[in-house]
Order: sequence, then structure tokens, then C-alpha cells
Amino acid sequence: DIQMTQSPSPLSASVGDRVTITCRASQSITRYLNWYQEKPGKAPKLLIYAASSLQSGIPSRFSGSGSGTEFTLTISSLQPEDFATYSCQQSYSTPYTFGQGTRLEIK
Amino acid sequence: EVQLVESGGGLVQPGGSLRLSCAASGFIFSSYWMTWVRQGPGKGLEWVANIKQDGSEKYYVDSVEGRFTIFRDNAKNSLYLQMNSLRAEDTAVYYCARGITGFDYWGQGTLVTVSS
Repeated sequence: DIQMTQSPSPLSASVGDRVTITCRASQSITRYLNWYQEKPGKAPKLLIYAASSLQSGIPSRFSGSGSGTEFTLTISSLQPEDFATYSCQQSYSTPYTFGQGTRLEIK
Repeated sequence: EVQLVESGGGLVQPGGSLRLSCAASGFIFSSYWMTWVRQGPGKGLEWVANIKQDGSEKYYVDSVEGRFTIFRDNAKNSLYLQMNSLRAEDTAVYYCARGITGFDYWGQGTLVTVSS
């Protein structure tokens, strides 16, 4: 199985900050990488698919990059509603494993 | 509006069985792969299983292979997860989600608790 490792966790930041979360795969997954936002009591929300494609309806302050084994999710200017947990997921081969999640906290 | 509504969760003893359902609406259900994802208490998301549009292909995470069965009824726009031989480590919120890569719609989840 492909292991997905995220860093850092947790991550403390302030409103207006630019933050980057990294996700590393244990083997190449080309660009089969997706990012989700999780909030308690809510269904996870797809933010980015295929490493860098912004899901419809997601604000442009969210962006993704990377290929192979290293990927990043960047939030250009944190808004209060962005404090949540972010998880990466590979869809290169089953089982489609998730990272352990990065909790983004208010500093 | 796309909606996915799970049901069927509850408290079950170890070794017991449970069938989860996911009712889909607002899209052409038969055109999409569908997936079950779970999240244990205090844990990250875990992909459980998925199924092709016509049910001809199914894939499972190793930890549930042979115990869980994913299936669908396209006439009823419904996805199912039959869970047998349940273990304490299967305790989780179970979500159904649309798609095979990048799950763009999720249900609100149904809680399964395996405990004596």
C-alpha cells in the first residue's frame, strides 16, 4: 500500500497568513493526489484534485502543486473559516490511502 | 442538488453484522463510481471500498476484504455496504462518496459502533 505522510501537524497560523502543507507519498503517484478539508460534524470537502486542479466552488486562495512523491497545498491568505483539518489522498492505486491529516490552528 | 444520505449505522456486538445504505439523488447515479470511506474516533480518513458504475468491479482495503461487501442498485439509486464479522476496530463514521478519484460529494456519515 502507498503511505501518505503529511507535515506539519499541527500547524499554527494567523488570519491573513500564507500557509503551506506538505504531503509525501511512499512511491510515485504521478499527479493522482487530492486534498480535502474536514470540519467537525461535517462531510469532508474536496478542495483540489489531480494535484493542482481547483474544485468548483472552492476559493482561489487554495492552490495545489507537485508531482511524483511530493505535493503541497497552499492557502494564500488565511480566512477565519479555513481553520480546519486538511488531508491528502492518493488515487493512483487501491487502496486509495489518505494522509493522517494536518490540523490548522489559530495562533 | 446532489445529495448522499447514509443510514443503517448503530451499535453492534463484535462478530455481528450491519448493512449500511446510501441513497443518492440529484445526479445520474449509474454514471459514477461510488466509494465508502470511514473515520474512526480520533483517526484520519480511511478508504474502505469502491464499486464501478455497473457493479462489475469492486475493490477493498485489506482490513475489510472478505468481511465487507460493497454493492449497488442503480434502479434504486442506492449504494450499500454489507459488513459481517465486525470488530472493535471497525468502529467509525462511515461516509459514502461519489467518484473514484477526487470524491466531490460526500454524505453526512453514519456511525457504526462495535462493542459488547
